Amino acid sequence: GDSVTQMEGPVTLSEEAFLTINCTYTATGYPSLFWYVQYPGEGLQLLLKATKADDKGSNKGFEATYRKETTSFHLEKGSVQVSDSAVYFCLHEGPDSWGKLQFGAGTQVVVTP
Amino acid sequence: DAGVIQSPRHEVTEMGQEVTLRCKPISGHNSLFWYRQTMMRGLELLIYFNNNVPIDDSGMPEDRFSAKMPNASFSTLKIQPSEPRDSAVYFCASSPRGTAGGQFFGPGTRLTVL
Repeated sequence: GDSVTQMEGPVTLSEEAFLTINCTYTATGYPSLFWYVQYPGEGLQLLLKATKADDKGSNKGFEATYRKETTSFHLEKGSVQVSDSAVYFCLHEGPDSWGKLQFGAGTQVVVTP
Repeated sequence: DAGVIQSPRHEVTEMGQEVTLRCKPISGHNSLFWYRQTMMRGLELLIYFNNNVPIDDSGMPEDRFSAKMPNASFSTLKIQPSEPRDSAVYFCASSPRGTAGGQFFGPGTRLTVL
């Protein structure tokens, strides 16, 4: 069945370090892919998305490229800040899923000064 | 746009009491989702609606849980009777189907059952 696998956390890194969170998926057809972020005590917010192969989503310095050949959608940021400390979720939405999202388990990122 | 609105933001109740959580989706969105988030189980989809019709309630943990969507602008999630293990943050999200726009989450209701 459809699923999303993302790297386990917590990921701890220093301010200005490079961040990568791996995400791979299995799905029927060509799903839309998303990264959501959840800051402490808040709901999930859409960070970026890509709707077809080779699309690159970007927002707030984060980027992810839809790689159909490797079924991956890895999240990257070149220089993280303390304010990027949060839990990041990789998700996909199938074309006929009524908007239902398949969630990864979430990856906690902790950025230290 | 006000975003997805949930009420109450915090609820503390005693075991055995009825709890009703409320959600107002974003106007024009025709899919609505209820989630539960705990440290142990992470984020779980409980039920979702499309055009006010329940599509999949397989995530509802047991008969004590019920959800309704009487119209396009309002949904409730009810727990009766509540138990301490129901303590969690409950999120509502809405989505504009067909646009691959993803889901828009409300701020959540933090439920504590004593």
